[in-house]
Amino acid sequence: NAGVMQNPRHLVRRRGQEARLRCSPMKGHSHVYWYRQLPEEGLKFMVYLQKENIIDESGMPKERFSAEFPKEGPSILRIQQVVRGDSAAYFCASSQERQETQYFGPGTRLLVL
Amino acid sequence: AQSVSQHNHHVILSEAASLELGCNYSYGGTVNLFWYVQYPGQHLQLLLKYFSGDPLVKGIKGFEAEFIKSKFSFNLRKPSVQWSDTAEYFCAVNARGYQKVTFGTGTKLQVIP
Repeated sequence: NAGVMQNPRHLVRRRGQEARLRCSPMKGHSHVYWYRQLPEEGLKFMVYLQKENIIDESGMPKERFSAEFPKEGPSILRIQQVVRGDSAAYFCASSQERQETQYFGPGTRLLVL
Repeated sequence: AQSVSQHNHHVILSEAASLELGCNYSYGGTVNLFWYVQYPGQHLQLLLKYFSGDPLVKGIKGFEAEFIKSKFSFNLRKPSVQWSDTAEYFCAVNARGYQKVTFGTGTKLQVIP
């Protein structure tokens, strides 16, 4: 039973480019969460999605960041016009139902040059 | 909004020493509590969780944690650590009924053979 998959594992972008991070939840899981971990900090919640719906985006920056979880395919976290401050590890988690334990993927480490 | 404090940022122990990592949270309502571990180069894994019932929770690899409601604490313990326990440990909390999980800043544990 495959766990949460994230790709790419490492991503390098120059300032102003776009970054697309993908997350495939565990089989049977329909709830996806994105977290960001800045250097020397804990994980910060960004957004919670169910299939085709954004449920809670209270942790998402207001500009340049967007997330989706289409009916088919992985969840995508998109960062437009990246800046150096976006450099971080981005983790995706999934759960089977609301209020169930979240299982984490290996993360995507984004480096903005 | 809830918050989580992990007071020890870096702990160094010799093998066979006992471990206790502190975790305090602030939230007035009912919470779910978690400890996650991140081994070097790997993703977050769930060590143990508390939703309700017995406040002494047993997890994997000999870890346990005790929920003390009056102290808003959920400290992690292990009687005798091994070199393979070297990792970063994160305490996390979410308010019952909400999906957003708030993480502490983590404690890096280094076990010396």
